[in-house]
Amino acid sequence: GPKVLQIPSHQIIDMGQMVTLNCDPVSNHLYFYWYKQILGQQMEFLVNFYNGKVMEKSKLFKDQFSVERPDGSYFTLKIQPTALEDSAVYFCASSSDWGIAEQFFGPGTRLTVL
Amino acid sequence: GNSVTQMQGQVTLSEEEFLFINCTYSTTGYPTLFWYVQYPGEGPQLLLKVTTANNKGSSRGFEATYDKGTTSFHLQKASVQESDSAVYYCVLGDRDNNAPRFGAGTKLSVKP
Repeated sequence: GPKVLQIPSHQIIDMGQMVTLNCDPVSNHLYFYWYKQILGQQMEFLVNFYNGKVMEKSKLFKDQFSVERPDGSYFTLKIQPTALEDSAVYFCASSSDWGIAEQFFGPGTRLTVL
Repeated sequence: GNSVTQMQGQVTLSEEEFLFINCTYSTTGYPTLFWYVQYPGEGPQLLLKVTTANNKGSSRGFEATYDKGTTSFHLQKASVQESDSAVYYCVLGDRDNNAPRFGAGTKLSVKP
C-alpha cells in the first residue's frame, strides 16, 4: 500500500541546536500532519498543513516549531532552538482529504535532545 | 469542539478471550470515526473506518458500530490473539474541523 517515509529514523542533538525532520508523503496526497509521541504515551497532534499553509496547530506547536513543503518536496518540521522536552518520536502523516480520509503514517523519527 | 474519550488505558487478556475497548465521542457535526492500531516501533495504521451513523465497520475480526444515540464507537473482537497486542486509538474526523481528534489510546496486551 501507499507509504510515508521519514528521514532520519533517529536523531541525537544538543539542546539549543536546530533540527529538521523530513517526511516524504504519499505522492498524490495534499494534506499533511505532524504528531508527537513521548515514549509510552499517547499520540499528540502538533499541526496540519495544506496548500502551503498551516491550517491548525495545537498548544504543543511552540514558536520554535515551523513546517513547510517547498516545491512539493519533503514536508519538514523544523525546531529551532531545541529543548530537552522536545525529545520524543515525531510521526508524519498524509491524507487525500480532510477529516474523513484515512491518514497514512510514517514510521517516525526518534529525536533525542541532550 | 470535537473530542474523543477512551477511559481504558490498558487491557490485558489471554488468547481467545473477548475484547471490548470503550470509545465515546463528542461533536456538533457529522463525523467519520476510525480505529487505528499502533504496533511497537511503528506508526499507527488504519484498522477500520465508519462514515455513516448506525453502520458497522469490520476488519481482521475487529468490529465497531458508529452509534449516534449513545455517541459511542466501541471496538470488539470475539477472540484475540497474541499478535493483536498493540495500542488502539479511537479517532474522530470531520470535514468542518481540520484536525482529526485522537483518543488517549488503549494498550492491549494478550498473553499466550
